[in-house]
Amino acid sequence: GAVVSQHPSRVICKSGTSVKIECRSLDFQATTMFWYRQFPKKSLMLMATSNEGSKATYEQGVEKDKFLINHASLTLSTLTVTSAHPEDSSFYICSASPPGQGWEKLFFGSGTQLSVL
Amino acid sequence: AQSVAQPEDQVNVAEGNPLTVKCTYSVSGNPYLFWYVQYPNRGLQFLLKYITGDNLVKGSYGFEAEFNKSQTSFHLKKPSALVSDSALYFCAVRDNNQGGKLIFGQGTELSVKP
Repeated sequence: GAVVSQHPSRVICKSGTSVKIECRSLDFQATTMFWYRQFPKKSLMLMATSNEGSKATYEQGVEKDKFLINHASLTLSTLTVTSAHPEDSSFYICSASPPGQGWEKLFFGSGTQLSVL
Repeated sequence: AQSVAQPEDQVNVAEGNPLTVKCTYSVSGNPYLFWYVQYPNRGLQFLLKYITGDNLVKGSYGFEAEFNKSQTSFHLKKPSALVSDSALYFCAVRDNNQGGKLIFGQGTELSVKP
């Protein structure tokens, strides 16, 4: 099946620094990727929809200047957490769907555990 | 608004016994329903989906789910649980009013003991 790769799997950073998380679709082109945030043993919250070649669409309540999304190619989307604070500590997961499958079958990255000290 | 609910935070089952993880939904129009599984510190894996057709949907790893329109439920089932089935399970519904994005339930932690 389709593979979505996410890197890094774990990152620890100091408060005030920025962290970049990469999401790659390895064997298909993804014009759209999705970024989720998950708190421990909680549901996934959709943060934004990343669109190749255009601006991301953010969900209500998500700060676009805080969580910068860039989708520069058909296989790569990045999420940058700017000026990270301890409350940004969370598990971030990206997902994508092969062309033509829409929302019917999302493939997820393995997630990035962000810890802000 | 479209939503799903998973009424149980945790389900405990003995290995070899049947398991059920519950999910109810609230949608306008025809529901598109999904089940995903998440192992510790991993992303989600697709198990199965209901779009249309037979109410009993068969998926990966021996799981199946039954769509029940009158009860607005989509419970996940497996006839004989394995210890390796222990994981976090999410039910999801497609939100047809917001571009088709998936709305996830709060998750149910399944624990299968030997």
